[in-house]
Amino acid sequence: GAVVSQHPSRVICKSGTSVKIECRSLDFQATTMFWYRQFPKKSLMLMATSNEGSKATYEQGVEKDKFLINHASLTLSTLTVTSAHPEDSSFYICSADISNTEAFFGQGTRLTVV
Amino acid sequence: GEDVEQSLFLSVREGDSSVINCTYTDSSSTYLYWYKQEPGAGLQLLTYIFSNMDMKQDQRLTVLLNKKDKHLSLRIADTQTGDSAIYFCAERSYNQGGKLIFGQGTELSVKP
Repeated sequence: GAVVSQHPSRVICKSGTSVKIECRSLDFQATTMFWYRQFPKKSLMLMATSNEGSKATYEQGVEKDKFLINHASLTLSTLTVTSAHPEDSSFYICSADISNTEAFFGQGTRLTVV
Repeated sequence: GEDVEQSLFLSVREGDSSVINCTYTDSSSTYLYWYKQEPGAGLQLLTYIFSNMDMKQDQRLTVLLNKKDKHLSLRIADTQTGDSAIYFCAERSYNQGGKLIFGQGTELSVKP
């Protein structure tokens, strides 16, 4: 299947700093990518839909100033967690669709804020 | 709103078949998916089925869809210890602008 690459796979940062997570579609172009957050032993919670060349669409309850999304090219979307706090520690996963049919996911990023 | 439900745990013996069940409420679903997640990893797309189909088979995997009852199942034949993981059912909801709506995940434990 298609490959979606997420980087870094793990990151530890200090409280108050910002962290950027990259999501790349390696062998296809993705006008739309999705960012999810997953809590331990829980399902995926959609945070926002990232649209190439335009503003991201955020789900209700997700702070857009806290979780900055940039989708500058057809193969790259970035999620920046600004002024991170321990409660932002989580597993973040991105995905990209092919033809609104198949949805492929990145490997995930484990963020720990200390 | 739209909802997807799965049982949380399933335990089987190696070599047996596993059946993981899922129910959904959104009648506008276009595609339904099964994903596998191993610890600390992302989601791996196992298979998907279009909503006007009732069965799809791919090697050891068989997907059954009962659209009338809004029930989806994934059967894994000859289950191996490497199949131990969390399995997520998801629907693509036309009513939600094509977003994927996920179930809670079923943790499959395969005992030797």
